[in-house]
Amino acid sequence: KNQVEQSPQSLIILEGKNCTLQCNYTVSPFSNLRWYKQDTGRGPVSLTIMTFSENTKSNGRYTATLDADTKQSSLHITASQLSDSASYICVVENTGTASKLTFGTGTRLQVTL
Amino acid sequence: GAGVSQSPSNKVTEKGKDVELRCDPISGHTALYWYRQSLGQGLEFLIYFQGNSAPDKSGLPSDRFSAERTGGSVSTLTIQRTQQEDSAVYLCASSPQPLYEQYFGPGTRLTVT
Repeated sequence: KNQVEQSPQSLIILEGKNCTLQCNYTVSPFSNLRWYKQDTGRGPVSLTIMTFSENTKSNGRYTATLDADTKQSSLHITASQLSDSASYICVVENTGTASKLTFGTGTRLQVTL
Repeated sequence: GAGVSQSPSNKVTEKGKDVELRCDPISGHTALYWYRQSLGQGLEFLIYFQGNSAPDKSGLPSDRFSAERTGGSVSTLTIQRTQQEDSAVYLCASSPQPLYEQYFGPGTRLTVT
Protein backbone atom coordinates (compact mmCIF):
# COMPACT_ATOMS: atom_id res chain seq x y z
CA LYS A 1 0.00 0.00 0.00
CA ASN A 2 1.33 3.45 -0.92
CA GLN A 3 1.97 5.48 2.19
CA VAL A 4 3.66 8.72 3.17
CA GLU A 5 4.59 9.22 6.79
CA GLN A 6 5.77 12.49 8.27
CA SER A 7 7.46 13.37 11.50
CA PRO A 8 7.21 15.05 13.83
CA GLN A 9 3.46 15.50 13.90
CA SER A 10 3.94 18.97 15.37
CA LEU A 11 6.84 21.21 16.26
CA ILE A 12 7.33 24.47 18.13
CA ILE A 13 10.50 26.49 17.59
CA LEU A 14 11.75 29.97 18.41
CA GLU A 15 11.95 32.57 15.69
CA GLY A 16 15.34 32.54 14.03
CA LYS A 17 16.04 28.88 14.74
CA ASN A 18 16.39 26.16 12.10
CA CYS A 19 14.34 23.01 11.89
CA THR A 20 14.10 19.83 9.82
CA LEU A 21 10.95 17.95 8.94
CA GLN A 22 11.04 14.32 7.86
CA CYS A 23 9.11 12.31 5.28
CA ASN A 24 9.29 8.56 4.63
CA TYR A 25 7.38 6.97 1.79
CA THR A 26 6.58 3.59 0.35
CA VAL A 27 5.04 4.83 -2.92
CA SER A 28 6.09 2.82 -5.95
CA PRO A 29 6.81 3.33 -8.76
CA PHE A 30 8.11 6.75 -7.85
CA SER A 31 7.69 9.81 -10.06
CA ASN A 32 8.35 12.82 -7.89
CA LEU A 33 8.16 14.13 -4.34
CA ARG A 34 6.66 17.48 -3.43
CA TRP A 35 6.62 19.60 -0.32
CA TYR A 36 3.67 21.92 0.22
CA LYS A 37 3.05 24.64 2.79
CA GLN A 38 -0.51 25.02 3.97
CA ASP A 39 -1.50 28.03 6.03
CA THR A 40 -4.56 27.65 8.24
CA GLY A 41 -7.70 27.98 6.17
CA ARG A 42 -5.84 28.09 2.88
CA GLY A 43 -5.02 25.60 0.16
CA PRO A 44 -1.56 24.02 -0.04
CA VAL A 45 1.15 25.97 -1.88
CA SER A 46 4.01 24.19 -3.57
CA LEU A 47 7.52 24.69 -2.14
CA THR A 48 9.58 22.17 -4.08
CA ILE A 49 9.20 19.31 -6.54
CA MET A 50 11.99 16.72 -6.85
CA THR A 51 12.36 13.89 -9.32
CA PHE A 52 14.27 10.65 -8.84
CA SER A 53 17.56 12.15 -10.02
CA GLU A 54 17.48 15.20 -7.75
CA ASN A 55 18.75 14.90 -4.21
CA THR A 56 18.47 18.50 -3.10
CA LYS A 57 16.46 21.55 -4.08
CA SER A 58 16.18 24.95 -2.46
CA ASN A 59 13.50 27.61 -2.45
CA GLY A 60 14.69 30.56 -0.42
CA ARG A 61 15.05 29.50 3.19
CA TYR A 62 13.55 26.08 2.40
CA THR A 63 15.83 23.23 1.34
CA ALA A 64 14.45 19.81 0.51
CA THR A 65 16.51 16.65 0.23
CA LEU A 66 15.62 13.32 -1.32
CA ASP A 67 17.20 9.91 -0.87
CA ALA A 68 15.39 7.70 -3.37
CA ASP A 69 17.28 4.61 -2.19
CA THR A 70 16.03 4.84 1.39
CA LYS A 71 12.79 6.55 0.31
CA GLN A 72 13.30 9.45 2.66
CA SER A 73 13.02 13.19 2.25
CA SER A 74 13.56 16.11 4.54
CA LEU A 75 12.59 19.76 4.49
CA HIS A 76 15.02 22.09 6.25
CA ILE A 77 13.89 25.58 7.19
CA THR A 78 16.64 28.08 7.94
CA ALA A 79 16.32 31.15 10.15
CA SER A 80 12.63 30.57 10.80
CA GLN A 81 10.13 33.42 10.73
CA LEU A 82 6.73 33.78 12.33
CA SER A 83 5.19 33.49 8.86
CA ASP A 84 6.62 29.98 8.56
CA SER A 85 3.95 28.81 11.02
CA ALA A 86 1.89 26.40 8.93
CA SER A 87 1.42 22.74 8.08
CA TYR A 88 4.04 21.23 5.80
CA ILE A 89 2.81 18.38 3.67
CA CYS A 90 4.93 15.80 1.88
CA VAL A 91 3.35 14.38 -1.29
CA VAL A 92 4.59 11.58 -3.51
CA GLU A 93 3.39 10.94 -7.04
CA ASN A 94 3.32 7.58 -8.85
CA THR A 95 4.87 7.27 -12.25
CA GLY A 96 2.43 7.72 -15.09
CA THR A 97 -0.65 8.09 -12.95
CA ALA A 98 -1.52 11.74 -12.86
CA SER A 99 -4.33 11.23 -10.43
CA LYS A 100 -2.42 9.24 -7.85
CA LEU A 101 -0.80 11.57 -5.40
CA THR A 102 -0.27 10.17 -1.93
CA PHE A 103 -0.33 12.84 0.76
CA GLY A 104 1.25 12.74 4.18
CA THR A 105 -0.75 14.04 7.12
CA GLY A 106 1.65 16.93 7.53
CA THR A 107 3.82 18.46 10.22
CA ARG A 108 2.29 21.43 11.99
CA LEU A 109 5.02 23.99 12.67
CA GLN A 110 4.59 26.86 15.08
CA VAL A 111 7.25 29.56 15.22
CA THR A 112 7.13 31.67 18.36
CA LEU A 113 8.88 34.76 19.73
CA GLY B 1 -3.20 36.35 -12.58
CA ALA B 2 -6.19 34.85 -10.77
CA GLY B 3 -5.65 31.60 -8.94
CA VAL B 4 -8.03 28.73 -8.34
CA SER B 5 -11.21 29.91 -6.68
CA GLN B 6 -13.80 27.90 -4.81
CA SER B 7 -17.26 28.67 -3.52
CA PRO B 8 -18.73 28.76 -1.05
CA SER B 9 -15.87 29.11 1.42
CA ASN B 10 -18.04 27.63 4.15
CA LYS B 11 -21.17 25.52 3.97
CA VAL B 12 -23.26 24.23 6.84
CA THR B 13 -25.98 21.79 5.90
CA GLU B 14 -28.31 19.39 7.59
CA LYS B 15 -27.81 15.67 7.33
CA GLY B 16 -29.66 14.29 4.33
CA LYS B 17 -29.50 17.48 2.24
CA ASP B 18 -27.66 17.75 -1.07
CA VAL B 19 -24.80 20.23 -1.53
CA GLU B 20 -22.93 21.59 -4.53
CA LEU B 21 -19.38 22.87 -4.33
CA ARG B 22 -17.89 24.92 -7.13
CA CYS B 23 -14.35 25.22 -8.45
CA ASP B 24 -13.03 27.76 -10.96
CA PRO B 25 -9.61 26.58 -12.13
CA ILE B 26 -6.84 28.76 -13.50
CA SER B 27 -7.65 29.71 -17.06
CA GLY B 28 -6.04 27.37 -19.58
CA HIS B 29 -5.36 24.59 -17.10
CA THR B 30 -6.50 21.31 -18.59
CA ALA B 31 -6.25 19.15 -15.47
CA LEU B 32 -8.56 19.59 -12.50
CA TYR B 33 -8.55 17.63 -9.25
CA TRP B 34 -10.86 17.39 -6.24
CA TYR B 35 -9.53 16.37 -2.83
CA ARG B 36 -11.02 15.99 0.62
CA GLN B 37 -9.14 16.93 3.79
CA SER B 38 -10.62 15.62 7.00
CA LEU B 39 -9.46 16.81 10.40
CA GLY B 40 -6.08 15.27 11.21
CA GLN B 41 -5.97 13.36 7.92
CA GLY B 42 -3.94 13.75 4.76
CA LEU B 43 -5.58 14.94 1.59
CA GLU B 44 -7.68 12.25 -0.03
CA PHE B 45 -8.01 12.14 -3.80
CA LEU B 46 -11.60 12.17 -5.05
CA ILE B 47 -11.75 12.74 -8.81
CA TYR B 48 -9.57 13.96 -11.69
CA PHE B 49 -10.54 15.62 -14.97
CA GLN B 50 -8.17 15.93 -17.93
CA GLY B 51 -9.38 17.75 -21.02
CA ASN B 52 -12.19 15.90 -22.74
CA SER B 53 -11.16 12.50 -21.41
CA ALA B 54 -13.42 10.48 -19.16
CA PRO B 55 -12.76 11.52 -15.56
CA ASP B 56 -10.91 9.30 -13.11
CA LYS B 57 -13.54 8.73 -10.42
CA SER B 58 -11.60 6.10 -8.52
CA GLY B 59 -11.38 8.19 -5.36
CA LEU B 60 -15.06 8.93 -4.89
CA PRO B 61 -16.04 7.30 -1.57
CA SER B 62 -19.63 6.44 -2.50
CA ASP B 63 -22.24 6.90 -5.19
CA ARG B 64 -23.54 9.90 -3.26
CA PHE B 65 -20.56 11.80 -4.63
CA SER B 66 -20.43 13.02 -8.22
CA ALA B 67 -18.66 15.74 -10.14
CA GLU B 68 -18.80 17.33 -13.52
CA ARG B 69 -16.71 19.77 -15.45
CA THR B 70 -18.53 21.88 -17.98
CA GLY B 71 -16.77 23.23 -21.04
CA GLY B 72 -13.44 22.09 -19.73
CA SER B 73 -13.40 24.83 -17.13
CA VAL B 74 -15.65 25.18 -14.08
CA SER B 75 -16.27 22.05 -12.02
CA THR B 76 -19.01 21.19 -9.56
CA LEU B 77 -18.75 18.53 -6.87
CA THR B 78 -22.15 17.31 -5.69
CA ILE B 79 -22.77 15.36 -2.52
CA GLN B 80 -26.24 13.88 -2.20
CA ARG B 81 -27.92 12.94 1.06
CA THR B 82 -25.03 14.32 3.10
CA GLN B 83 -23.82 12.43 6.15
CA GLN B 84 -21.90 13.73 9.15
CA GLU B 85 -18.78 11.90 8.01
CA ASP B 86 -18.83 14.07 4.88
CA SER B 87 -17.77 17.03 7.03
CA ALA B 88 -14.36 18.09 5.77
CA VAL B 89 -12.55 20.70 3.70
CA TYR B 90 -12.96 20.05 0.00
CA LEU B 91 -10.02 21.30 -2.05
CA CYS B 92 -9.84 21.81 -5.77
CA ALA B 93 -6.58 22.03 -7.71
CA SER B 94 -5.69 22.61 -11.33
CA SER B 95 -2.55 22.15 -13.38
CA PRO B 96 -1.58 23.15 -16.91
CA GLN B 97 -0.97 19.53 -17.83
CA PRO B 98 -1.07 16.16 -16.09
CA LEU B 99 1.93 15.48 -13.84
CA TYR B 100 2.71 19.20 -13.61
CA GLU B 101 2.56 21.24 -10.43
CA GLN B 102 -0.92 21.57 -8.99
CA TYR B 103 -2.29 24.90 -7.82
CA PHE B 104 -4.79 24.64 -5.01
CA GLY B 105 -7.84 26.71 -4.23
CA PRO B 106 -8.65 27.87 -0.69
CA GLY B 107 -11.13 25.05 -0.16
CA THR B 108 -14.74 24.79 0.94
CA ARG B 109 -15.31 23.84 4.56
CA LEU B 110 -18.38 21.62 4.70
CA THR B 111 -20.08 20.96 8.01
CA VAL B 112 -22.95 18.48 8.15
CA THR B 113 -25.06 18.81 11.28
